[in-house]
Amino acid sequence: QSVLTQPPSVSAAPGQKVTISCSGSSSNIGNNYVSWYQQFPGTVPKLLIYDNNKRPSGIPDRFSGSKSGTSATLGITGLQTGDEAEYYCGTWDDSLSGFYVFGTGTKVTVL
Amino acid sequence: EVQLVESGGGLVQPGGSLRLSCAASGFTFSNYWMSWVRQAPGKGLEWVANIKQDGSLRYYVASVRGRFTISRDDAKNSLYLQMNSLRADDTAVYYCSRDVQDRYKYHFEYWGQGTLVTVSS
Repeated sequence: QSVLTQPPSVSAAPGQKVTISCSGSSSNIGNNYVSWYQQFPGTVPKLLIYDNNKRPSGIPDRFSGSKSGTSATLGITGLQTGDEAEYYCGTWDDSLSGFYVFGTGTKVTVL
Repeated sequence: EVQLVESGGGLVQPGGSLRLSCAASGFTFSNYWMSWVRQAPGKGLEWVANIKQDGSLRYYVASVRGRFTISRDDAKNSLYLQMNSLRADDTAVYYCSRDVQDRYKYHFEYWGQGTLVTVSS
C-alpha cells in the first residue's frame, strides 16, 4: 500500500488547467525531492518532472511541479487530449531501511 | 541512445523461481544506480529494488525482501533480479530503469520496455 496519496482522477476541458496533489509525510516528501511520471495505457512510464520542479529535455513547459512541506503538486496547463494518461508521483522514503515509493496514481481525463 | 532491454519473464508456478535480466547499452552502465519497478495488471507502479553503482548498497520493498535479489555485472552491462518463492501477487510487468541518485534526490530517468512475469498454477 502506497504511502503517497493522489486523487484517483481529475478532469477538465481542453485548454484548461488541472492540478494533481501528492500527499506524503516527513519521512518521504518532507525530506526528499519528488518526481512525476506519465504513463499512457499499455506503454512504458516516462519521467515528467524531477527534483520537484525540473523538466527533462523535451517535456513542454505546460507541465510544472512544486513541493510544499509534505505535499507536492503537478500542474498541467493548456490541457490537450494527448495529455490523457495516468500520472504518478514518487520519492524516496527514509523510514525503515529506506525504500522508494510511488503515489497511488491519478487518471487525467480531457472532457 | 540509452537502451534497456529486459528478458527472462514468463509463466511460473507459485513457489517457483525466475531470473530476470536487463541488458543496458548507450551509456556507461557502471556509473549508475539501477532499479527494478513492477506493475501488476491494471494496477499502479511499485518499486521493487535498486542497487548502487558498485553493488555495495541494495534496497528492497518489504514485500520481496528475503525472496528477491538484485545484482549487476558491469562487465556485461547487465542488471539482474533473482526471484524465488514466487507468489501470485508477484504477477506483473517488471521494468528495468536507469536511475539518478544524489543525497535527497532519486528518480527513474530511463525505462526498459518491461517483461511480464505470471505466477500461476
